[in-house]
Amino acid sequence: DVKVTQSSRYLVKRTGEKVFLECVQDMDHENMFWYRQDPGLGLRLIYFSYDVKMKEKGDIPEGYSVSREKKERFSLILESASTNQTSMYLCASSSKGDSYSNQPQHFGDGTRLSIL
Amino acid sequence: AQSVTQPDIHITVSEGASLELRCNYSYGATPYLFWYVQSPGQGLQLLLKYFSGDTLVQGIKGFEAEFKRSQSSFNLRKPSVHWSDAAEYFCAVGPYSGGGADGLTFGKGTHLIIQP
Repeated sequence: DVKVTQSSRYLVKRTGEKVFLECVQDMDHENMFWYRQDPGLGLRLIYFSYDVKMKEKGDIPEGYSVSREKKERFSLILESASTNQTSMYLCASSSKGDSYSNQPQHFGDGTRLSIL
Repeated sequence: AQSVTQPDIHITVSEGASLELRCNYSYGATPYLFWYVQSPGQGLQLLLKYFSGDTLVQGIKGFEAEFKRSQSSFNLRKPSVHWSDAAEYFCAVGPYSGGGADGLTFGKGTHLIIQP
């Protein structure tokens, strides 16, 4: 089974801090994704990566950046955390398949981040 | 731009009764369609997917979904629900092969409540 591991289940940080959320997958997947999940809004794509050192903006990239130095690891960075970034963050990965995203995405258990 | 609509925010079903969760999508080409389930405090688990071929797809846990191109729908069904099916259900659409590297677009979710 695919395993996507997010380093923290719960995280509490202060406004203005630089926050790192880590995600590791063990299936040699090319694609990795970061979403945030908010009540009533569903999941929204922040950033994704289809190869090492490659990144693409999703629907809501403002206030975030990402890093992918190794294939199995995809980090989400909040440059200067703000209270409106309090949310559940979900990491996902998928294999490349015939196109970049026609393979199912496999999700981690999420990190619930609170910014005080 | 692609979009997914799940018209029902909450649905309550009696244990043993049949279930249908609605999903409508907007996409300019043949979509890739997915249903995911999220139990409380967990990440998303893939129930089933549609890429091409037979429009009735079978998934895990006794779920099935039918792709209807004319109605732009991909409704999820189960003939008899169990208390353990109580969860949040998300429909998602992905781009057609060759459409480029993108994450999935998710609906806002349907919260399923099972009555004893």
